[in-house]
Amino acid sequence: QKEVEQDPGPLSVPEGAIVSLNCTYSNSAFQYFMWYRQYSRKGPELLMYTYSSGNKEDGRFTAQVDKSSKYISLFIRDSQPSDSATYLCAIGNNNDMRFGAGTRLTVKP
Amino acid sequence: NAGVTQTPKFQVLKTGQSMTLQCAQDMNHEYMSWYRQDPGMGLRLIHYSVGAGITDQGEVPNGYNVSRSTTEDFPLRLLSAAPSQTSVYFCASIPRQGARAFFGQGTRLTVV
Repeated sequence: QKEVEQDPGPLSVPEGAIVSLNCTYSNSAFQYFMWYRQYSRKGPELLMYTYSSGNKEDGRFTAQVDKSSKYISLFIRDSQPSDSATYLCAIGNNNDMRFGAGTRLTVKP
Repeated sequence: NAGVTQTPKFQVLKTGQSMTLQCAQDMNHEYMSWYRQDPGMGLRLIHYSVGAGITDQGEVPNGYNVSRSTTEDFPLRLLSAAPSQTSVYFCASIPRQGARAFFGQGTRLTVV
């Protein structure tokens, strides 16, 4: 079993839809929870970062962490074609972050 | 401010050849890491460094060497390339433990 599990999709939604992306993890000692966005042929860029259970909101993006269930989510409201990318969750400690496989999202106009 | 710069962007190697992937950052970050990205596998940590002169192994270190003689540079060496090392390689730097990683644009390596 991988330490971080993420459904690779692909996921295709119409513009304006609410998108839900999820990851589960196995190591309860993990402290940091991040979501990265990666456009085709580019390096990943940080979207959201948290180290506690609960919700964190930034514009159209909400990150949710449930440490008791070892489950994290990223919600995208009013999705736009420019949101089309691969979304990677990253969970871990300090310099040892474990990445999910990435979910490929396409938002159709 | 260039951020994290990786060279080359593309490379084709023959089995058994050696090469060095270069990574440089100009943000004075302490931590630097090398990842490989394969379809369906996500990013896997190869080696990392917590400062000049200090390196350690990650998840998949076999077949790779690193060194960190300066804060800015963190080269990754493939000693004897194998087709299983065909991948996209990303270098990342982190200002402090647990903080966000800044990634380079990647090196696409094919070993034939």
